[in-house]
Amino acid sequence: ELKVEQNPLFLSMQEGKNYTIYCNYSTTSDRLYWYRQDPGKSLESLFVLLSNGAVKQEGRLMASLDTKARLSTLHITAAVHDLSATYFCAVDEASGTYKYIFGTGTRLKVLA
Amino acid sequence: DTAVSQTPKYLVTQMGNDKSIKCEQNLGHDTMYWYKQDSKKFLKIMFSYNNKELIINETVPNRFSPKSPDKAHLNLHINSLELGDSAVYFCASSHLGKSYNSPLHFGNGTRLTVT
Repeated sequence: ELKVEQNPLFLSMQEGKNYTIYCNYSTTSDRLYWYRQDPGKSLESLFVLLSNGAVKQEGRLMASLDTKARLSTLHITAAVHDLSATYFCAVDEASGTYKYIFGTGTRLKVLA
Repeated sequence: DTAVSQTPKYLVTQMGNDKSIKCEQNLGHDTMYWYKQDSKKFLKIMFSYNNKELIINETVPNRFSPKSPDKAHLNLHINSLELGDSAVYFCASSHLGKSYNSPLHFGNGTRLTVT
């Protein structure tokens, strides 16, 4: 059974600092997704990573995928308060059923 | 304009009652999902339908019964509600198939509180 773990679970950081969130998964998978969830809100898609070595960037966020290590990273550059949210990675179980298993989530708080 | 819409947004009910949550998507997707998010924010997949056919049925109490009358609608009926059913239930949709590689599009969630 596919397991998806993120670390850290909680992250409090100062504005202007850099940090990386890690997403590890336990079995072979085709695709990995990153989502953002603001408190009390829905989930919004950030990145879709489809192959080994894939790198996507949007603003201060950059996501990468290493399928051999079964690892994805979400790097935050020069954090701002607006990035405060919970970030989830999700992995397609690659069983042909398109069962997306979500990571535990990383609750990010950027302090002004 | 809303892509994936769920109703109701909030649902407060007593133990033992039966309730339904409705979901509709206007994105033309062929696959819809129900996810449960607990108080610790963990998201757990419950069910998925592709073109009205059930394709994912996780280990969920049989008090939960999904129904998809067409590929744009997916409802969730819950019988004999229990305290542990309190959570936020999210509907989501996407296109099935590697040629799409589309992420899930989520509804705004239904916060269910069982007292």
